Amino acid sequence: GAVVSQHPSRVICKSGTSVKIECRSLDFQATTMFWYRQFPKQSLMLMATSNEGSKATYEQGVEKDKFLINHASLTLSTLTVTSAHPEDSSFYICSAVQGVPYNSPLHFGNGTRLTVT
Amino acid sequence: GIQVEQSPPDLILQEGANSTLRCNFSDSVNNLQWFHQNPWGQLINLFYIPSGTKQNGRLSATTVATERYSLLYISSSQTTDSGVYFCAVVGRGGGGNKLTFGTGTQLKVEL
Repeated sequence: GAVVSQHPSRVICKSGTSVKIECRSLDFQATTMFWYRQFPKQSLMLMATSNEGSKATYEQGVEKDKFLINHASLTLSTLTVTSAHPEDSSFYICSAVQGVPYNSPLHFGNGTRLTVT
Repeated sequence: GIQVEQSPPDLILQEGANSTLRCNFSDSVNNLQWFHQNPWGQLINLFYIPSGTKQNGRLSATTVATERYSLLYISSSQTTDSGVYFCAVVGRGGGGNKLTFGTGTQLKVEL
């Protein structure tokens, strides 16, 4: 149980285009979903927290107009990287939690490796 | 925000050896998890362990919440154990819903 599916696993796009990444909880309803970013040989950095039906909460330094997050249902959240540039190339990982994060385990997708040329 | 430090940063083991990874955190926590990130980037849930001790096969973990640390034990290591091990916590302070990751331990198990 507690499977989180993330697509695509790998994407290459040209500078200036937009890319959408999907995160789905397959066998549970996710009250909260999180988006993380990871640069090579570094830890995971939280980008934003999304709750179904409300606006995402972005971490300091993360541009909300560049990284659009939509949590349309209890099983789906999307991250759209708008007008992508080479510096946006990174590994993006989503996670979902069924209960409240402070007392429930988080489950992670397999990540999306984005390369902007 | 809460700070999470892991040690050692890098570790090389011979297959069959045992090891202990440590996670120190700067504040009280409600949630602590250990993950293994494999070479393909996948994060594997190892333990959800805000306190106490748990065991799963060759792996076990102990969290001493009052002293703000957690330990991950790997026994009889195998080459498939290689990768990065992260602990992650949700602090009790402001922003108590965010899972903050530690600095990670890069483990390499050699034949």
